[in-house]
Amino acid sequence: DAGVIQSPRHEVTEMGQEVTLRCKPISGHNSLFWYRQTMMRGLELLIYFNNNVPIDDSGMPEDRFSAKMPNASFSTLKIQPSEPRDSAVYFCASSISGTETQYFGPGTRLLVL
Amino acid sequence: GNSVTQMEGPVTLSEEAFLTINCTYTATGYPSLFWYVQYPGEGLQLLLKATKADDKGSNKGFEATYRKETTSFHLEKGSVQVSDSAVYFCALSFPSGGSYIPTFGRGTSLIVHP
Repeated sequence: DAGVIQSPRHEVTEMGQEVTLRCKPISGHNSLFWYRQTMMRGLELLIYFNNNVPIDDSGMPEDRFSAKMPNASFSTLKIQPSEPRDSAVYFCASSISGTETQYFGPGTRLLVL
Repeated sequence: GNSVTQMEGPVTLSEEAFLTINCTYTATGYPSLFWYVQYPGEGLQLLLKATKADDKGSNKGFEATYRKETTSFHLEKGSVQVSDSAVYFCALSFPSGGSYIPTFGRGTSLIVHP
């Protein structure tokens, strides 16, 4: 069975450019989570969705970050404009609402120069 | 608020050594407790979990017991292998708005030498 799929796996961009990260959750999962992982701050929850609806975006660092989930099988995390401090590994995870286990994608490693 | 504290790494061991990674938590109420493992270049995956006091989670030779009195969930393995080299995350979660939202520790890197 396919797990959580993220693309791209690696992204190198220049400061000021727009970055779009993509996620396809496991089929049948109706909760989706975006995380950011850095050495300094560890693993941070940015936003999560239930049934395609954003529930809590209090972890989104600032207005430069936005996330959408137009349907049950696709979500995006956009950074516009990007800054060097956004460099991190971004993970998408999905779960079945009401259950405890989250299933993580392989992550997108973002480097902003 | 809720928080999870893990021992800092890296933990460096020889193959077949005994492993302990300490984890303590602070929470209001009785959360579920988890250990996730992250192998190099991959996302986190659930290793084991325990949902109530005195429960023992186990998987792949790893064990952890939910200790309410000490608010701990230490990870142990009797004989580690090189393939166990990874980063281990302790986490707790409560239900929130229909989902379980985990609070993760900072992670502990384990390096096992042949």
